[in-house]
Amino acid sequence: DVKVTQSSRYLVKRTGEKVFLECVQDMDHENMFWYRQDPGLGLRLIYFSYDVKMKEKGDIPEGYSVSREKKERFSLILESASTNQTSMYLCASRDTSGVLYGYTFGSGTRLTVV
Amino acid sequence: KQEVTQIPAALSVPEGENLVLNCSFTDSAIYNLQWFRQDPGKGLTSLLLIQSSQREQTSGRLNASLDKSSGRSTLYIAASQPGDSATYLCAVFKAAGNKLTFGGGTRVLVKP
Repeated sequence: DVKVTQSSRYLVKRTGEKVFLECVQDMDHENMFWYRQDPGLGLRLIYFSYDVKMKEKGDIPEGYSVSREKKERFSLILESASTNQTSMYLCASRDTSGVLYGYTFGSGTRLTVV
Repeated sequence: KQEVTQIPAALSVPEGENLVLNCSFTDSAIYNLQWFRQDPGKGLTSLLLIQSSQREQTSGRLNASLDKSSGRSTLYIAASQPGDSATYLCAVFKAAGNKLTFGGGTRVLVKP
């Protein structure tokens, strides 16, 4: 089974801090994604990456950046954390090797910015 | 723009009853549809994936059907158990635009 691992389950950071959320997948998937999930707003796509060093903005990229130096790792960076970035962050990877194109999600990181 | 709707937003059933969860989408030009389960405070677990050319998929007590022409999918969970209590999300993937669109989810409570 594909595993998508998010390094932290819970994080508490201060306003203005630079925050790194790490995600690693173990099945050589080319596509990786970062979503945030908020009550009443559902899941919203922040950024995605087709391959190493490639990235594309999703629906809500403002205040975020990403890094993909290796195929298995996709990092989400909050350049200067703000309280409105308190949320559940979910990383996903997608299988493009066959025809299924199924998504696999990690267990999530609950970030609180104080 | 693709819109995905799940109704009802919540339901409660006694243990042993069959669960029927609905998902509708506005644009039938989808590549696949995926059902997920989410426990409180946790990530998403994939349950079933249906390709656009398929009518249904089954895994254990779970069965998902897809009617692309009418823009509907249904997830059936047979003989529900308290451990089935969770939020169930459907998501449709459209290759053009490379986008996964989620429904708002149905929160299920199975009472012992």
